[in-house]
Amino acid sequence: AQSVTQLGSHVSVSEGALVLLRCNYSSSVPPYLFWYVQYPNQGLQLLLKYTSAATLVKGINGFEAEFKKSETSFHLTKPSAHMSDAAEYFCAVSDNTNAGKSTFGDGTTLTVKP
Amino acid sequence: ETGVTQSPTHLIKTRGQQVTLRCSSQSGHNTVSWYQQALGQGPQFIFQYYREEENGRGNFPPRFSGLQFPNYSSELNVNALELDDSALYLCASSPGQPDNYGYTFGSGTRLTVV
Repeated sequence: AQSVTQLGSHVSVSEGALVLLRCNYSSSVPPYLFWYVQYPNQGLQLLLKYTSAATLVKGINGFEAEFKKSETSFHLTKPSAHMSDAAEYFCAVSDNTNAGKSTFGDGTTLTVKP
Repeated sequence: ETGVTQSPTHLIKTRGQQVTLRCSSQSGHNTVSWYQQALGQGPQFIFQYYREEENGRGNFPPRFSGLQFPNYSSELNVNALELDDSALYLCASSPGQPDNYGYTFGSGTRLTVV
């Protein structure tokens, strides 16, 4: 079975500050890991994905995430927050044992203060 | 690229009724998955379709069923609606195995059961 825990349902940062959103996963096989962003009244947009290549993954909008197997973590970071980054962020894990099934965390709402 | 489009955007149904939600996948995407997102939670996997066959299913009862058509568009049908079925239903498509590519999500259909 696979699962995702996102630590902190709400994170608030000042504009220009570091963004750090935490994700820990559980998987019985080597995982595929994803971060998605959801703006109000919209679907989810893929930010980045880890599929067993480089452990440091760069995504869109200046976000990146590092896969750390020893810590079972895949935290999302951005060096400098913009007002437009305010949204809900979801971490997801999947594997090849159940076609198509990605297991999502409950999300972290990011607020960016001016 | 037209993205993933879903219809309708909102609807209200009465408990016990049946509903059909529709999805047009992104051009070139042959795999479609459906997710249910309850308020304040992450999306939950319902099922996946590939080449008109269901090839993966989450923990949802049989009254949740689907179809995929030759043009890769898809329908989600829910029979005997219950109040707990009220949620945002998301359609997601992928050009192949979602583990490798991640998903492109639609904006969802907001279903309210009264």
